[in-house]
Formats: sequence, structure tokens, C-alpha cells
Amino acid sequence: AIQMTQSPSSLSASVGDRVTITCRASQGIKKDLGWYQQKPGKAPKLLTYTTSSLESGVASRFSGSGSGTDFTLTISSLQPEDFATYYCLQDYNFPYTFGQGTKLEIK
Amino acid sequence: EVQLVESGGGLVQPGRSLRLSCAASGFTFDDYAMHWVRQAPGKGLEWVSGISWNSGTKGYADSVTGRFTISRDNAKNSLYLQMNSLRTEDTALYYCAKDSAIGRYGGISDWGQGILVIVSS
Repeated sequence: AIQMTQSPSSLSASVGDRVTITCRASQGIKKDLGWYQQKPGKAPKLLTYTTSSLESGVASRFSGSGSGTDFTLTISSLQPEDFATYYCLQDYNFPYTFGQGTKLEIK
Repeated sequence: EVQLVESGGGLVQPGRSLRLSCAASGFTFDDYAMHWVRQAPGKGLEWVSGISWNSGTKGYADSVTGRFTISRDNAKNSLYLQMNSLRTEDTALYYCAKDSAIGRYGGISDWGQGILVIVSS
């Protein structure tokens, strides 16, 4: 199975900050990666797919980049509603695998 | 609007079986692959299983291979997960999820609210 190593596991930041979260795949996955946001008690929400495509309705401050084994999610200017846990998911092949998650907290 | 409603969860003893169901609406069910994803209390997301639009291909996480079986009934717009030989480590919130791509596997675009499975004696 492909392993997805996500970092950092937690992050403290302030409103207005630029934040970057990374995922590294144990083997090449082309661009078959998505990013998800999860708030406590809620189902995950898709942010980006195929590495850099923004899901409809998602704020443009979210962006994804990368290819092969290294991927990033960037939030250009943190808003109060962005404090949540973020996960990457490789959908290159079965079994799909998630990163361990990044908890984004208010500094 | 996509709606995915899970049912069939509950408390079950180790070694026993349970069958989860997911009723789908708001989209053409037989156009899309479907998935199950779980989340143990206080832990991260774990993909469990996926099935193609026509049930032609299926996949499983290593942790459930040989114990869980995914299936679907396109006539009933329903997805299922048969869970056998349950273990305490299978305790989790189980999400039904819709694939993002038509006619092939892609990522996961939509999620149900989840159903809790507790495996305990």
C-alpha cells in the first residue's frame, strides 16, 4: 500500500497567516491527490482534487500543488473558519490511503 | 443535492457480524463508484473499501481484507458493507462516500454523516 506522510501533525497560526501543509507519497501517484477539511463532529469536506483543482464553492484562498510524490495545500490568508483538521488522500490506486492529518489551531 | 444516509450500526460483540447500509439520492447512483471510510474515536480517517459503478472491481484496506465485503444494488440506490469477525479495533464512525468521477475511480467528493459501530464485549 502507498503510504502518505503528512506534515506537520499540528500547526498554530494566526488569522491572516499563510499556511502550507505537505503530503509525501511513498511512491509516485501522478496527480491523484485530494485535500479535505474536517471540523469537529462533522464529515470531511473536499477542498481540492487532482492535486490542484478547486472544488466548487471552496474559497480561492485554498490551493493545491505538486505531482509525483510531493504535494502541498496552501491557505493564502487564514480565516477564523479555517481552523480545522486537514487530510490528504491518494486515489491513484487501491487501497486508497489518507495522510495522518494536520490539526490547524489558533495561535 | 447529494444525500448519503447510513444505517445498521450499533454495539456488537467481538467476533460477530454487522451489515451497514447506505441509501443514496440526489445523483445517478449507477454512474459512480462508492466507498466506505471510517474514523476511530479521536483518530484520523481510514479508507476501508471501494466498489466500481457496476460492481466489477472492488478494493479493501489491508486491515479488513478477508473480513469485510462491499456490495451495491443499483436498482435500490444502495451501498452495503458486510462486516464479519469484528474486532475491537473496528470500532469507528463509518462514512458512506461518493466518488468524484463518472464511470471510473477518482477521489471522494461527498460524504454521509456517518454511522457508529462499537465492537465490545
